[in-house]
Amino acid sequence: AQTVTQSQPEMSVQEAETVTLSCTYDTSESDYYLFWYKQPPSRQMILVIRQEAYKQQNATENRFSVNFQKAAKSFSLKISDSQLGDAAMYFCAYRSAKGSARQLTFGSGTQLTVLP
Amino acid sequence: EAQVTQNPRYLITVTGKKLTVTCSQNMNHEYMSWYRQDPGLGLRQIYYSMNVEVTDKGDVPEGYKVSRKEKRNFPLILESPSPNQTSLYFCASSPSIAGVVGGNEQFFGPGTRLTVL
Repeated sequence: AQTVTQSQPEMSVQEAETVTLSCTYDTSESDYYLFWYKQPPSRQMILVIRQEAYKQQNATENRFSVNFQKAAKSFSLKISDSQLGDAAMYFCAYRSAKGSARQLTFGSGTQLTVLP
Repeated sequence: EAQVTQNPRYLITVTGKKLTVTCSQNMNHEYMSWYRQDPGLGLRQIYYSMNVEVTDKGDVPEGYKVSRKEKRNFPLILESPSPNQTSLYFCASSPSIAGVVGGNEQFFGPGTRLTVL
């Protein structure tokens, strides 16, 4: 079974600075998807960024980028120019690409605080 | 607007009183699932459905039931709720084919906060 580990329960960053959230995972599969979800106080789950394991290029979405290290099974999220609206719980998630599998395996989350 | 809806958003109940949390999606997605979120544990899958009349257990199915009689609806049933089912519940949906738009991600409902006394 796959596992996802987020070792930083809480992090803080100064507004306009850069912060990196870490995520590691364990799998024996070679093809899969990785995601970062944001959960603001409204509790809505918002997809921030996704990475296909077969792609070597790191995904980027505006101020959000990932550092995907397949051999090390590491998938960190970098938030540049942090804004107050980035304050939220962030979840890393794994999904197999095998067959019709759709289950997401989540990490325990990192609570990000943005300081003005 | 494409969305997943859940009702109720908040529910306080007592041990043993049967309840149903509804989930509906308007995107014609084949795949639907239920997760529960608990502090320090992230989200864990309870049940999922690949299509109408096709359901299967996730990682934490004990104490829950589901049904999928229509493609758009996937209710979660707690026949005899207990305090350890106090949690935040999310319904999610996804196309079953990876190649279509959105096929590689899941769309989440707004969540249902359940408290069992």
